[in-house]
Amino acid sequence: GAVVSQHPSWVICKSGTSVKIECRSLDFQATTMFWYRQFPKQSLMLMATSNEGSKATYEQGVEKDKFLINHASLTLSTLTVTSAHPEDSSFYICRAKGAGGPSYEQYFGPGTRLTVT
Amino acid sequence: AQSVTQPDIHITVSEGASLELRCNYSYGATPYLFWYVQSPGQGLQLLLKYFSGDTLVQGIKGFEAEFKRSQSSFNLRKPSVHWSDAAEYFCAVGTTSYSSASKIIFGSGTRLSIRP
Repeated sequence: GAVVSQHPSWVICKSGTSVKIECRSLDFQATTMFWYRQFPKQSLMLMATSNEGSKATYEQGVEKDKFLINHASLTLSTLTVTSAHPEDSSFYICRAKGAGGPSYEQYFGPGTRLTVT
Repeated sequence: AQSVTQPDIHITVSEGASLELRCNYSYGATPYLFWYVQSPGQGLQLLLKYFSGDTLVQGIKGFEAEFKRSQSSFNLRKPSVHWSDAAEYFCAVGTTSYSSASKIIFGSGTRLSIRP
């Protein structure tokens, strides 16, 4: 089945710095990538949707200047948390969708845990 | 816009007992429905999904769910739980409109604890 990887799986950064999280589709072309954020003991909240080669569409309440999403190729999307603060500490999960219609199941990445100190 | 409600935040059942986790959705068309399980600190694992057809769907680990359109529900069931089933369970709805880019929206989750 299709595989999605994320790197790093865990990152600690200091407040005020930026951190980049990668999401890769390993054996298929991901025309659309979705980024989710999950705070401890809470649900997954959709942050943004990006189509390859286009600007990301952000959900209401998500700061696009803080969470920079780049989807420059069909196998890679990146989420950059700029000027990170402790409140940005969270579990970030990506989901990749291939072309040809809705297909959902095993295309979630394993997640990246961000801790901002 | 679509939404998912999981009314039970935390459920505790005895090992070997039956389980039902509730899920209600709101969506204007026929939805795609999912149940995921997440162990602490881990990613998501798909238990089962409903796209169309038979409204009773079987999943992995002995789970099943029934889609009831009239009640806008997609409850998850298991006849006999095991201690290893303790985890967080998320119900989710996926859009079927290509214009909305096949979003998946998650419910708030139900934490399942197993009593020995």
